This record gives sequence, structure tokens and C-alpha cells, in this order.
Amino acid sequence: AQKITQTQPGMFVQEKEAVTLDCTYDTSDPSYGLFWYKQPSSGEMIFLIYQGSYDQQNATEGRYSLNFQKARKSANLVISASQLGDSAMYFCAMREEENFNKFYFGSGTKLNVKP
Amino acid sequence: EPEVTQTPSHQVTQMGQEVILRCVPISNHLYFYWYRQILGQKVEFLVSFYNNEISEKSEIFDDQFSVERPDGSNFTLKIRSTKLEDSAMYFCASRKAGVNEQFFGPGTRLTVL
Repeated sequence: AQKITQTQPGMFVQEKEAVTLDCTYDTSDPSYGLFWYKQPSSGEMIFLIYQGSYDQQNATEGRYSLNFQKARKSANLVISASQLGDSAMYFCAMREEENFNKFYFGSGTKLNVKP
Repeated sequence: EPEVTQTPSHQVTQMGQEVILRCVPISNHLYFYWYRQILGQKVEFLVSFYNNEISEKSEIFDDQFSVERPDGSNFTLKIRSTKLEDSAMYFCASRKAGVNEQFFGPGTRLTVL
């Protein structure tokens, strides 16, 4: 089974609107961490946000927030007030406590922000 | 601001040749990683390295791959006998102890002909 599933290969959003990028995960480890990365067309990987499995609050970093639903095993990224510069690939990733230094990435979602 | 650097930015090699990809992690980081991304596909974990030894590795990281931290600053990935399917972008990343965020380098694009 896939550890990380991103079901939206591509998404469009109008500038200034909010968008949600889906991510579901599969693990039996009670302790794990979830990450989102942005990859612009230039290719670099940019860390956006982290959520720990025991964190009580949903993580937020500026315009990014993580909608963490543990029972559903989902960790959706919400980008508020989209900007043209948000157009990029977005990858969800996970690591488990048992294999603390091994990371699993999803297949990514390509977000296009329309003016 | 400190950053992870990788050299070369693009490497072209013939099938069967050995390549060494180089990375300089951020100086006070203790955890080091290699990933690869075949064009248009997802990022795949290859290996993590801590305290001068491999910490975790994926199924992709077979005997043709090796990693080394030869001098306390460089972190290298060696591919002994390259195959066409090794063509990909290879990213190095590093992480500080006690911090979740990994910092990625700009990547080395490897093309195997």
C-alpha cells in the first residue's frame, strides 16, 4: 500500500482564493510526522509546514495551514489568499517514529494559480 | 543564510560509468539525506546518514549505491555502474538535531546515455 496518497495531479485556483490540496497517509505507527513541500518550476524543494501526530492543534505557517484529521488519516494543505507565486508542485511527505530518518513522499499536486 | 550546496548541477555520463555526486550540508546539521526524482515523478527517498553511518535506506538503494562523508563537510553519493534508469534529479538534504525541517540542496541532474 502507498504510504502517502495525493489524488489530485493538478489543481487550478483563482488568485486570492483559498485552495485545499489533499493528502492521505497510511501507517500503523502511533507516532509520525507529516510534511508539505513546495517545488517551483526552478526545481528546488521548499519546506512549508510540519504536523506531528500528537500535536493537538493544526499546524499553521503564515498563509499555509494543515487540516489534520487523524481518524481519517488525512493531512490536507490549505493555502489561503493564493498568489501567482504559489503556482508549483506540492508534495506531502511522512516519516514514522520506527524509521525516524526515512521519508515517504506522495506523487505531488501541480497547483496553477490563475490571475 | 546557510544553505545546502550540490555539485555538479548537471552530470552527463555513459551507461556503466561510475559517478560521484557531491553535497555540502549546512555546517551544524547532523542528519544527511539523498533523494532522487525521475523527471515529472515523485521524490523518492534513497538513504539517510547519521553519525558516520547509514541510518535508513530504501529498496532503491542497492549495492550499486554508496554514501560517504569523507572529510567532515562533504557528503557524497556514488553510483558504481550507472544505468539508463538512474537518470534523475538527485537531491541532498540536511537537518539539524531536534528540528523537523530538512533543508534541500538545488539538486544534481544526472543524465545517463
